[in-house]
Amino acid sequence: AQSVTQLDSQVPVFEEAPVELRCNYSSSVSVYLFWYVQYPNQGLQLLLKYLSGSTLVKGINGFEAEFNKSQTSFHLRKPSVHISDTAEYFCAVTRRGGAQKLVFGQGTRLTINP
Amino acid sequence: ETGVTQSPTHLIKTRGQQVTLRCSSQSGHNTVSWYQQALGQGPQFIFQYYREEENGRGNFPPRFSGLQFPNYSSELNVNALELDDSALYLCASTIGLGDGYTFGSGTRLTVV
Repeated sequence: AQSVTQLDSQVPVFEEAPVELRCNYSSSVSVYLFWYVQYPNQGLQLLLKYLSGSTLVKGINGFEAEFNKSQTSFHLRKPSVHISDTAEYFCAVTRRGGAQKLVFGQGTRLTINP
Repeated sequence: ETGVTQSPTHLIKTRGQQVTLRCSSQSGHNTVSWYQQALGQGPQFIFQYYREEENGRGNFPPRFSGLQFPNYSSELNVNALELDDSALYLCASTIGLGDGYTFGSGTRLTVV
């Protein structure tokens, strides 16, 4: 079975500051990793995904994440945030091989202050 | 454009009633999953359908059931509603995991 731990439930940052949202996962098998963003009263939008290859993954809206197999982490970063980045961010994992269920973390609420 | 449409957007039901939630996936997305997201929580996997057959189920009781149709639409049915069933229900579809899942905007169910 897979599990995901998002280490921060809330992250407040000032506009134009860098941010890192932390995600650790647990799995006995190889996995795919995802970050989703959820704006208020909306569904989930895929930010980026790691399937294989380069451990640094670039996504939409200037976000990137780095897969670290030895530390079982997949932290999300952005060098300069905007007010519009205020949202809930979810890290998710699924086992490799076909279309498998996503296991989500509890989410991190990113709040951008002017 | 999400490509996944859910209806209705909001719904209020009374405890003990039954409810049907609907999802229309993108053409060609032969795998559809349903998730329950309680307030302040991450989504929890309910079940998944592939080519109209259930091929995975999370830790939900049998009163949660589903259907997938040949036209890429699907349904989530919940019988004997309980107060704890109040949540956002999300439908997600994919053509293959390399593409990731595309989520709908969800149905907000309130049980009173």
